[in-house]
Amino acid sequence: GAVVSQHPSWVICKSGTSVKIECRSLDFQATTMFWYRQFPKQSLMLMATSNEGSKATYEQGVEKDKFLINHASLTLSTLTVTSAHPEDSSFYICSANAGGGETQYFGPGTRLLVL
Amino acid sequence: QKEVEQNSGPLSVPEGAIASLNCTYSDRGSQSFFWYRQYSGKSPELIMSIYSNGDKEDGRFTAQLNKASQYVSLLIRDSQPSDSATYLCAVTGGKLIFGQGTELSVKP
Repeated sequence: GAVVSQHPSWVICKSGTSVKIECRSLDFQATTMFWYRQFPKQSLMLMATSNEGSKATYEQGVEKDKFLINHASLTLSTLTVTSAHPEDSSFYICSANAGGGETQYFGPGTRLLVL
Repeated sequence: QKEVEQNSGPLSVPEGAIASLNCTYSDRGSQSFFWYRQYSGKSPELIMSIYSNGDKEDGRFTAQLNKASQYVSLLIRDSQPSDSATYLCAVTGGKLIFGQGTELSVKP
């Protein structure tokens, strides 16, 4: 149980375009999902907490107008990187709590490369 | 002071040895503690969670928690080359806070 999927796993795009990443909880409902970003040789950095049916909570320094989060159902959250630039190239990982507990289960991640 | 601190390593141990990974945290109010394993290019995978002082064993893995010392550790017995990965300590304080990870290398 507690399986989280992400799509796509890899995306390459041109600078200035927008990219949407989907995060799904496959066998449980998740009222809260989390979006992380990880640069090479660094740890995970929480970008935002996605709440079903309400606005996401962004961490300090994360531009909410650039990283749009939508959590329209109990099994799906999306992250849209708007007007992507090369510095947005990173490994984006989502996670979710199963059963309301504190344990977070991670999706496989999406590697974004902006040319 | 970082909220969750780990030695970045790399920690190198021979196959079959015990690998010891350490983590300290700054928030005394933290209640839940986790160890994740992350292979290169992959997302983190949960290994252990621990909530109470003492030891918790799961197969070859033992997590140890000492809240008074604000210290949590992970022991890996009979280390295997497949255990070579980065191990992330994570602590909840309203949100999950990760250490920078310790890179473990198990040599055959």
